[in-house]
Amino acid sequence: DVKVTQSSRYLVKRTGEKVFLECVQDMDHENMFWYRQDPGLGLRLIYFSYDVKMKEKGDIPEGYSVSREKKERFSLILESASTNQTSMYLCASSFVLGNTGELFFGEGSRLTVL
Amino acid sequence: AQRVTQPEKLLSVFKGAPVELKCNYSYSGSPELFWYVQYSRQRLQLLLRHISRESIKGFTADLNKGETSFHLKKPFAQEEDSAMYYCAISSGGSYIPTFGRGTSLIVHP
Repeated sequence: DVKVTQSSRYLVKRTGEKVFLECVQDMDHENMFWYRQDPGLGLRLIYFSYDVKMKEKGDIPEGYSVSREKKERFSLILESASTNQTSMYLCASSFVLGNTGELFFGEGSRLTVL
Repeated sequence: AQRVTQPEKLLSVFKGAPVELKCNYSYSGSPELFWYVQYSRQRLQLLLRHISRESIKGFTADLNKGETSFHLKKPFAQEEDSAMYYCAISSGGSYIPTFGRGTSLIVHP
């Protein structure tokens, strides 16, 4: 089974703090994604990466950055957390070659910014 | 730009009733359409994709290019179908999906 693991299930941070959300996948997937999930807004793509050190902005990249130093790991960084970044963050991964279009998701990281 | 519309935030039915979760899309090329499901306290997972033409857990979805729709249907709802359902679209080859806002399905006993 494909496993996508997000290191923190729940985080509480203060406004202005730097926040790291880590994601690791064990299936040698080339593509990795960070989505934000909010009630009534669905899933919105923040950033994605199709290879090590490669990244592309999604629909809502403002206030976020990412890092992909190794193929299996994709980190989401909030340089200075704000209350409007309180949300559920979902990491996902998928193949490029032989891609069926299926994304494999982690369990999510619920971030609260006070 | 590709876009997905799920007009219903919430759909509430009784067990045994038919279910239809609506999904409309806008895309100028040949899209790939998907339905994802998230059960309570579980991770989001793929339910079905249009290209497979399969039935999963009794659910089917037909791509109607004329109406640009990909509605999810089940003839007899079960309580265990209660979940959040997301329709998603990606352009052929890119596989970077855009998701709808989701429909919460509640099946009452």
